[in-house]
Amino acid sequence: GAVVSQHPSWVICKSGTSVKIECRSLDFQATTMFWYRQFPKQSLMLMATSNEGSKATYEQGVEKDKFLINHASLTLSTLTVTSAHPEDSSFYICSALLRWGAGNQPQHFGDGTRLSIL
Amino acid sequence: AQSVAQPEDQVNVAEGNPLTVKCTYSVSGNPYLFWYVQYPNRGLQFLLKYITGDNLVKGSYGFEAEFNKSQTSFHLKKPSALVSDSALYFCAVRDIRGGATNKLIFGTGTLLAVQP
Repeated sequence: GAVVSQHPSWVICKSGTSVKIECRSLDFQATTMFWYRQFPKQSLMLMATSNEGSKATYEQGVEKDKFLINHASLTLSTLTVTSAHPEDSSFYICSALLRWGAGNQPQHFGDGTRLSIL
Repeated sequence: AQSVAQPEDQVNVAEGNPLTVKCTYSVSGNPYLFWYVQYPNRGLQFLLKYITGDNLVKGSYGFEAEFNKSQTSFHLKKPSALVSDSALYFCAVRDIRGGATNKLIFGTGTLLAVQP
């Protein structure tokens, strides 16, 4: 149980393109989803917390107009990298929580999206 | 301040030998601690957690971790390493700054290399 699907796995596109990444909880309802960015050989950097039906909460230093997050349903959150540039190239990972406030529950992670901007 | 430290960038161990991946934490209040494993080009997989109760926590794939409050540590262990255990391991602590939250603070990760 607690499967999170992330799509696509790999994206290669030209500079200036907008890219949408989907994160779906397949067998549970996720009131909260998280979006992370991971640089090579580094830890995960939390970008934003996405709550179903409300605006995402962005971490300090993350441009909300650059990284648009939508959490329209209890099973889907999307991250759109707008007008992507080479410096946006990275590994993006989402995770989902069964329900808000249950701090003893683990986050369940998708398999990540490798984004390469040419 | 909430933080978690993984002092070793890499741990090398021979197959069949016991392994330990170290983690220390700094939190105010009772810590919620987690271990995750990441294989190349994949997301993180949950291994185990400590919330309360027994200090020795058993998790997936034969891994266990020991919570030590006096040493503020939560080391990951396995009695007999497998080559397939080779991966990147992350320790994490729940971030309680700003009130009720389920955010995690991750360590920098430890690469475990198990030699055949």
